[in-house]
Amino acid sequence: TQLLEQSPQFLSIQEGENLTVYCNSSSVFSSLQWYRQEPGEGPVLLVTVVTGGEVKKLKRLTFQFGDARKDSSLHITAAQPGDTGLYLCAGAKSSSGSARQLTFGSGTQLTVLP
Amino acid sequence: SQTIHQWPATLVQPVGSPLSLECTVEGTSNPNLYWYRQAAGRGLQLLFYSVGIGQISSEVPQNLSASRPQDRQFILSSKKLLLSDSGFYLCACKTGSNYGYTFGSGTRLTVV
Repeated sequence: TQLLEQSPQFLSIQEGENLTVYCNSSSVFSSLQWYRQEPGEGPVLLVTVVTGGEVKKLKRLTFQFGDARKDSSLHITAAQPGDTGLYLCAGAKSSSGSARQLTFGSGTQLTVLP
Repeated sequence: SQTIHQWPATLVQPVGSPLSLECTVEGTSNPNLYWYRQAAGRGLQLLFYSVGIGQISSEVPQNLSASRPQDRQFILSSKKLLLSDSGFYLCACKTGSNYGYTFGSGTRLTVV
């Protein structure tokens, strides 16, 4: 059973367009993270959200944690080819002291065409 | 900040051969360490994690094993590889109260 569902699975858009990626679950998470991964590399952490309803901005990227802490979204404004990559959400279900923390979503492969 | 070194970057091994992938961490001490496997373009499956030297927890039954002989060294092994062991293997670490994981650059394993 996949605890974190991401949608869409694939997304191909033109440079300059806006997009939103969703991460949904029936479980409550204490925090949620977003990573971006490029081919042949490991994922790189973009942001962590910890409070229900929290919104964080990272340049053209806006991350939101749902009020009930079960879902999250990533919105990219004016996408650029450099935004191309696999976007992964990951949820933590316990305190930071626990070793077995993160559950990863299935990923959204974004391609931004010039 | 911590850095993770993984090697080799790519590996092609015949079925039935042994495997040893190594991961070392710099810039931190007493980290939690993790081995993940990733199918092409998909999410990560946790294989093993370790909270300290000699302490290994396995998440899924499989043909692989892990060891942590030193604080900042994590090794993934197999005595006899199967075709289904092919994949992209990632080592990660987490330290202290930081929420985020730091990942290595991964090893692409192809079993032929």
